[in-house]
Amino acid sequence: QKEVEQDPGPLSVPEGAIVSLNCTYSNSAFQYFMWYRQYSRKGPELLMYTYSSGNKEDGRFTAQVDKSSKYISLFIRDSQPSDSATYLCAMTMLYNNNDMRFGAGTRLTVKP
Amino acid sequence: KAGVTQTPRYLIKTRGQQVTLSCSPISGHRSVSWYQQTPGQGLQFLFEYFSETQRNKGNFPGRFSGRQFSNSRSEMNVSTLELGDSALYLCASSSTSGGANEQYFGPGTRLTVT
Repeated sequence: QKEVEQDPGPLSVPEGAIVSLNCTYSNSAFQYFMWYRQYSRKGPELLMYTYSSGNKEDGRFTAQVDKSSKYISLFIRDSQPSDSATYLCAMTMLYNNNDMRFGAGTRLTVKP
Repeated sequence: KAGVTQTPRYLIKTRGQQVTLSCSPISGHRSVSWYQQTPGQGLQFLFEYFSETQRNKGNFPGRFSGRQFSNSRSEMNVSTLELGDSALYLCASSSTSGGANEQYFGPGTRLTVT
């Protein structure tokens, strides 16, 4: 069993839909949780960074962490065709440690 | 501010050869981390360099090595290439060591081993 599980999709939604992306993990030591967006032929771009349990909102994006369930989510409101990309969750145990564990990535397509 | 640059962007090598990839971080960033991305294993952490010192290392064999220069540019070397080393190699820079909350990735080097 992988440390971080993420449904690879693909996921296709109409423009304006609310998108829900999820990851589960097995290691309770993970404390810091990230969501990255990766466009084709580009490197990942950090979207959200959260610490421990709770919600964090940034514009159309909301990240949720439920440590008791070992479950994290990213919600995208009013999705746009420009949101079409692969979304990767990542997590790490220590604040100053780049040894992150990544999910497999979910490929999202938002259709006009 | 210029982003992270990686050279070359594409590379084809033969099994048994060695390869060196280069990464120039964002100006002022002293940390460079390297990652391998494959369809099967996803993104995996290789190692991090900060101020010319390797600070963290992932679970990869010793064939994978790196170094960082005084200007923060970093190189990654893979010796005795295997078919399974075919991947997208990404580097990311940050101003602080282990700055997972502020990493900026480059576009990657696509390595194909034949």
